[in-house]
Amino acid sequence: NAGVMQNPRHLVRRRGQEARLRCSPMKGHSHVYWYRQLPEEGLKFMVYLQKENIIDESGMPKERFSAEFPKEGPSILRIQQVVRGDSAAYFCASSHAGGLTTGANVLTFGAGSRLTVL
Amino acid sequence: AQSVTQLGSHVSVSEGALVLLRCNYSSSVPPYLFWYVQYPNQGLQLLLKYTTGATLVKGINGFEAEFKKSETSFHLTKPSAHMSDAAEYFCAVRLKTSYDKVIFGPGTSLSVIP
Repeated sequence: NAGVMQNPRHLVRRRGQEARLRCSPMKGHSHVYWYRQLPEEGLKFMVYLQKENIIDESGMPKERFSAEFPKEGPSILRIQQVVRGDSAAYFCASSHAGGLTTGANVLTFGAGSRLTVL
Repeated sequence: AQSVTQLGSHVSVSEGALVLLRCNYSSSVPPYLFWYVQYPNQGLQLLLKYTTGATLVKGINGFEAEFKKSETSFHLTKPSAHMSDAAEYFCAVRLKTSYDKVIFGPGTSLSVIP
């Protein structure tokens, strides 16, 4: 029973290129979250998605960043025209159904994708 | 808006000593509370969680945490530190609202001295 799968684990891009990070949630999970972890900082919430819907993108930068979670396939975090400040570890997490169910929504994290922008 | 603070970005303890990592939250209503651990170059793993009921919760690896509503705290403790406990620890909260936005604290790096 595979957990949350993220790829690539490491990605190197030059300034101005595009970065695409993929996340396959845990089997049975329909909610996906993306977090960014900068060096010496905690995790910052970026976006929360359900299948084909963005529920909360309040943590996403207004430009260059987008996320999707299509009906079929993994969730994608896309960063266009990367800059050095985008270098970070990007973590995907998934959870069971949302709402007010007690005990639900424990996040299961992937191992992260580490983006380095040269 | 809810927020999480963790007092002490770095904590060092001797092997065998008590571990105490502090977490305070601000929220208009008691939230769900979590502690996660992150080992180097890995994702986060859930240590323990508080949802409802007993305010003292036990987690994996001998850790426990107590929810104190009056102090808006959820401090993490372990009676005796082990070398393998060296890691980054994150406190997190989630409001009991209609969707699941989890907010993390800045983290505390725990070092264990032999």
